[in-house]
Amino acid sequence: NAGVTQTPKFQVLKTGQSMTLQCAQDMNHNSMYWYRQDPGMGLRLIYYSASEGTTDKGEVPNGYNVSRLNKREFSLRLESAAPSQTSVYFCASSRQPTLTGELFFGEGSRLTVL
Amino acid sequence: DAKTTQPNSMESNEEEPVHLPCNHSTISGTDYIHWYRQLPSQGPEYVIHGLTSNVNNRMASLAIAEDRKSSTLILHRATLRDAAVYYCILNGEGAQKLVFGQGTRLTINP
Repeated sequence: NAGVTQTPKFQVLKTGQSMTLQCAQDMNHNSMYWYRQDPGMGLRLIYYSASEGTTDKGEVPNGYNVSRLNKREFSLRLESAAPSQTSVYFCASSRQPTLTGELFFGEGSRLTVL
Repeated sequence: DAKTTQPNSMESNEEEPVHLPCNHSTISGTDYIHWYRQLPSQGPEYVIHGLTSNVNNRMASLAIAEDRKSSTLILHRATLRDAAVYYCILNGEGAQKLVFGQGTRLTINP
């Protein structure tokens, strides 16, 4: 059982380049999330999708776009990467965005922008 | 948003119990208390959650103070694999509002 799968695991970009981080879950969850984690910090929510067909901004959405391609997949796009976007990105999913819902996380994608 | 306060770091020995404290003095009546942990180079993983009563699962126990202004995550018999950053989080608005602070870095000594 794969759970939440993220690709790529590592990526180096130059300032101004674009890229898409892919996330897929095989748990039939309705909700999916993208977080970033900077060194020594907790996680901050970038965007989330409560259900297929919906997306909403989180705490730090600037510089990012998302697509909920279908129930399984939720991608994060950086249109013009900046050094401030150097971070580890985590995708997560949950059955519903409820008060008691458990989040399941992927292993992360480490992005460096030069 | 209700905030939590945790010690930056704690240290314990293998096979001993560990008590990880969390203060949340501004907790509201509808806030659930969640604990997650993050092992090195991995994504966070869910540990346990509760509202008012103490909770047990295969990973840990959660003891919640009667006034709900503090809680304690209890690892009954620590192993080296329990070395991680532990996050205490209040959830009163849904999973999309979970705020992961800096957590407590737990070191387990052999």
